Amino acid sequence: AQSVSQHNHHVILSEAASLELGCNYSYGGTVNLFWYVQYPGQHLQLLLKYFSGDPLVKGIKGFEAEFIKSKFSFNLRKPSVQWSDTAEYFCAGEDMRFGAGTRLTVKP
Amino acid sequence: EAGVAQSPRYKIIEKRQSVAFWCNPISGHATLYWYQQILGQGPKLLIQFQNNGVVDDSQLPKDRFSAERLKGVDSTLKIQPAKLEDSAVYLCASSLFAGAASNTEAFFGQGTRLTVV
Repeated sequence: AQSVSQHNHHVILSEAASLELGCNYSYGGTVNLFWYVQYPGQHLQLLLKYFSGDPLVKGIKGFEAEFIKSKFSFNLRKPSVQWSDTAEYFCAGEDMRFGAGTRLTVKP
Repeated sequence: EAGVAQSPRYKIIEKRQSVAFWCNPISGHATLYWYQQILGQGPKLLIQFQNNGVVDDSQLPKDRFSAERLKGVDSTLKIQPAKLEDSAVYLCASSLFAGAASNTEAFFGQGTRLTVV
């Protein structure tokens, strides 16, 4: 069965710090991966997605993720976080099953 | 375009009562998902419909949960009888298609927050 896992449960950063959130997947073959974000009080929304091609995927709000097949990883990155990035971040596979999520708190 | 609509937004019931949630997906979306999100956890997929057929209900507690998608559009999720541990946010999502060849993502509704007391 396809599955994704996230290892960082709660990350606390100061503004302007760099961010990297881990996501690992455990299936082979065609790989489609997503990162979703849930801001406080809002619905889940797509940050970015990988289907094929360039392994470095650019998303909204300055986020990017790199698909590394050899490491079974699809980590989310942002070079400089803002207070408004405080949210929960979820990785999902093509079967739309989600990881446990990572809560990001950005201190002003 | 209109998003995924869910109702009610909040519901409080006593244990052993029944409850139903309604979802109206984005127009034209063939795939509909129901999730349960317990506080502090990721969304857990309960059931996936493709049009009005069930694709995956492996994580649906079928002794108490049921779902239907009449005419391949709206969907309802029912819990009967409810237990305390069913307290969660129930999310509905829809996508144009599903599977490896779909190249589409799911769009989520605001969810229904259920409290069982």
